[in-house]
Parts: sequence; structure tokens; C-alpha cells
Amino acid sequence: DTEVTQTPKHLVMGMTNKKSLKCEQHMGHRAMYWYKQKAKKPPELMFVYSYEKLSINESVPSRFSPECPNSSLLNLHLHALQPEDSALYLCASSPGSSGISTDTQYFGPGTRLTVL
Amino acid sequence: QKEVEQDPGPLSVPEGAIVSLNCTYSNSAFQYFMWYRQYSRKGPELLMYTYSSGNKEDGRFTAQVDKSSKYISLFIRDSQPSDSATYLCAMRPWGNNRLAFGKGNQVVVIP
Repeated sequence: DTEVTQTPKHLVMGMTNKKSLKCEQHMGHRAMYWYKQKAKKPPELMFVYSYEKLSINESVPSRFSPECPNSSLLNLHLHALQPEDSALYLCASSPGSSGISTDTQYFGPGTRLTVL
Repeated sequence: QKEVEQDPGPLSVPEGAIVSLNCTYSNSAFQYFMWYRQYSRKGPELLMYTYSSGNKEDGRFTAQVDKSSKYISLFIRDSQPSDSATYLCAMRPWGNNRLAFGKGNQVVVIP
């Protein structure tokens, strides 16, 4: 089973709202990722958690706040977003041993976010 | 120069044709190579991954890596309308889980 699940599938929020995106995997993976994808563009890395610790923050604005409560769960808390933050937000996971060939990332279906 | 170059297409082929996609890269540290398929408004799905020069086959899909030329390819044999999607190449160095993506190549298979 190589499934990563994400909720909700769609989210519409105003610029003053606070919302959260959720991601879950049960593959025993120890690395989890958040990506942002705009239309007709490749995914852009936002955050990486490795063994439940934040290891990469790609200079993402503080209105995006990641959280990794345990090795299976990843959240992205959203606050005071801008309309240009509207995008597909993708979660991914990988075994977590980046020195081996099989440390390949598996993506979830994404949350389509619209900021009004 | 971008780390990974991929012609975004679009590429239209008749059903049953061979689809040929490729990416070039500039970073000789890249060791692991992946192809993802992404249907419209869905997440990328891992199709193939390789870590050495040569060919890897999985059903109708063949991934090819030429590290000396810094060139990777994906071939889809007997293409079907269900293969219509965007194909993303991705790669990373040893010891680093940050992926470098190509722009993605939109493929349309016409029945």
C-alpha cells in the first residue's frame, strides 16, 4: 500500500480565516513533505519533516505553519492567506533514508485551496 | 541554466503510438531519477524510478538513464487514451531528499 491521504479535497477560505490541511500515511515512512503546485507548473517544495523534526523550510511565509504530531500525520495550518496562495497543496512521504535508491516520494491527491 | 530541462509540449499522439519523453539535467550529483504521471487536478503518481544508467521496464513503460549525457527518457508503448496526462521527471542526489522537477510534459493520446 503506497497511499497518502489528504483532507479536505477542496477548501475555500477568506483572507481572515484560519484553517488546517491534514495528511496521513501508514507506510511507516519517516519523511513527510508539503508542496505547493500552481496550474501547469511542477510542485514547489515548502517544508520537509524528517523523523518528526522540521528539516527544511524553503523560506515559506509565516502564514503557513507546519506541524508533525507523529510519524504518520502532517498538518499545515493556514492563517491570513492571500489570493495568490490559491493552489493545489500536496503532501508526500518517503521512507526517510535519502542515501538509498528506494527513498522515493509518494504523493497524496492534494487539497485544492481557493483564497477569496 | 535550470537544473532540469523538460520540454512542456503539449505532445499529441494517436492511440497505439509510442510516446517518447525526455529530460536533461546539469547537476552531475543527481543519482536517482523518477517519472511521475499527473492527471488533471490530481496528485503526481510515481510511475518509474531508476538509479543507474541503462533501461528499466515495467509493462508498457520503459525508463532510460544516460548519466554520461545527463539525459533521461520515458517511453510508453501502445499508448492509450488513459495515458493522457502530464508527465514530470524528477531527480535527486544521494543523501538529499530534495527533488528537482522538470516543468512537466502534457501528453494527449487521441483515440
